[in-house]
Amino acid sequence: AQTVTQSQPEMSVQEAETVTLSCTYDTSESDYYLFWYKQPPSRQMILVIRQEAYKQQNATENRFSVNFQKAAKSFSLKISDSQLGDAAMYFCAYRSAFRGGNEKLTFGTGTRLTIIP
Amino acid sequence: GAVVSQHPSRVICKSGTSVKIECRSLDFQATTMFWYRQFPKKSLMLMATSNEGSKATYEQGVEKDKFLINHASLTLSTLTVTSAHPEDSSFYICSAARGSGNTIYFGEGSWLTVV
Repeated sequence: AQTVTQSQPEMSVQEAETVTLSCTYDTSESDYYLFWYKQPPSRQMILVIRQEAYKQQNATENRFSVNFQKAAKSFSLKISDSQLGDAAMYFCAYRSAFRGGNEKLTFGTGTRLTIIP
Repeated sequence: GAVVSQHPSRVICKSGTSVKIECRSLDFQATTMFWYRQFPKKSLMLMATSNEGSKATYEQGVEKDKFLINHASLTLSTLTVTSAHPEDSSFYICSAARGSGNTIYFGEGSWLTVV
């Protein structure tokens, strides 16, 4: 079974600074997807960024980028120019690509990010 | 706008009664939907995988007779908490994969309080 580990329960960063959230995973599969989700106080799960394992290039979405190290099974999220609206719980998630659209997400335990004004 | 809608967003029920939560994919067909439960300050715990036209697949430790899942159409899955007790109070959230499965959308979640 796959596992996802987020070793930082809480992180804080000064507004406008850069912060990196860590995520490692364990799998024996070669084809899979990795995601970062944001969960603000509203509890709505918001997709921040996703990475296909077969792609070597790191995914980027505006201020959000990942450092995907497949051999090390590491998938960290970098948030640049942090904004107050980035404050939330961040979850790293894994999804097998084996069965196409019918595979579940496996979540890490989350990292609570606080933005200091 | 939301592509997966969950209803109700909040519900309070008396202990011993049953309550139903709906999860709808608004503009796409979802053969598979997932139901999660989230305890305060915790991660999402997968309860079951809902398959259209067949029985749901429950995760280990989840009581299938207590948490009834029905996926009657390609756009609707329901979770019924039967004979609810205060310990069932929680945040329940559903998700569905769109298209090839690379994009997964979540419903807004439902707060259940059993009194």
